[in-house]
Amino acid sequence: KQEVTQIPAALSVPEGENLVLNCSFTDSAIYNLQWFRQDPGKGLTSLLLIQSSQREQTSGRLNASLDKSSGRSTLYIAASQPGDSATYLCAVRRGGSEKLVFGKGMKLTVNP
Amino acid sequence: NAGVTQTPKFQVLKTGQSMTLQCAQDMNHEYMSWYRQDPGMGLRLIHYSVGAGITDQGEVPNGYNVSRSTTEDFPLRLLSAAPSQTSVYFCASSYSIQETQYFGPGTRLLVL
Repeated sequence: KQEVTQIPAALSVPEGENLVLNCSFTDSAIYNLQWFRQDPGKGLTSLLLIQSSQREQTSGRLNASLDKSSGRSTLYIAASQPGDSATYLCAVRRGGSEKLVFGKGMKLTVNP
Repeated sequence: NAGVTQTPKFQVLKTGQSMTLQCAQDMNHEYMSWYRQDPGMGLRLIHYSVGAGITDQGEVPNGYNVSRSTTEDFPLRLLSAAPSQTSVYFCASSYSIQETQYFGPGTRLLVL
């Protein structure tokens, strides 16, 4: 059974820091991995989608990498801002499955 | 495009009552799914559909029914509400499971 873990569950940092958020998964036979952002009381917003054949994806200040063999993905946030404060979730789709498996998320607080 | 819409935003039910949570998307997406989000449990898949007329069970399907008569709509029915179904429910859609998932704003359900 695929399990997705995000550690730590929460992180508080001062504005301007470069951040690395971690996501690990137990079954390396994934089809893709997606990073989401969730603001309090809101739905999830997709940030980046990495296919299993890709090593990384970039969007603005965000960069996500994927290492299937080690079962890890990282989301890099450059020059963090208070507006980046949210919960970040990763989700994986196993090859041959129609289902996404989510981590429990990491709550990020960026202090001015 | 309105994206993924969900109604109602908030609902209070008594134990044993039934209701339908509505989900609609205007992006011509084939894949639609329902999740529940609970503190400490993360997002769990309830049911999903890969196209009109095709549905399947996710991780936690008991107590819920779905149908997909059109591409646009994917309602979730609670047959006999129980306090354990108190949760936040999210609907999501995408062109396929391989593509970026788009989430609705959620429905908060309280069962007394």
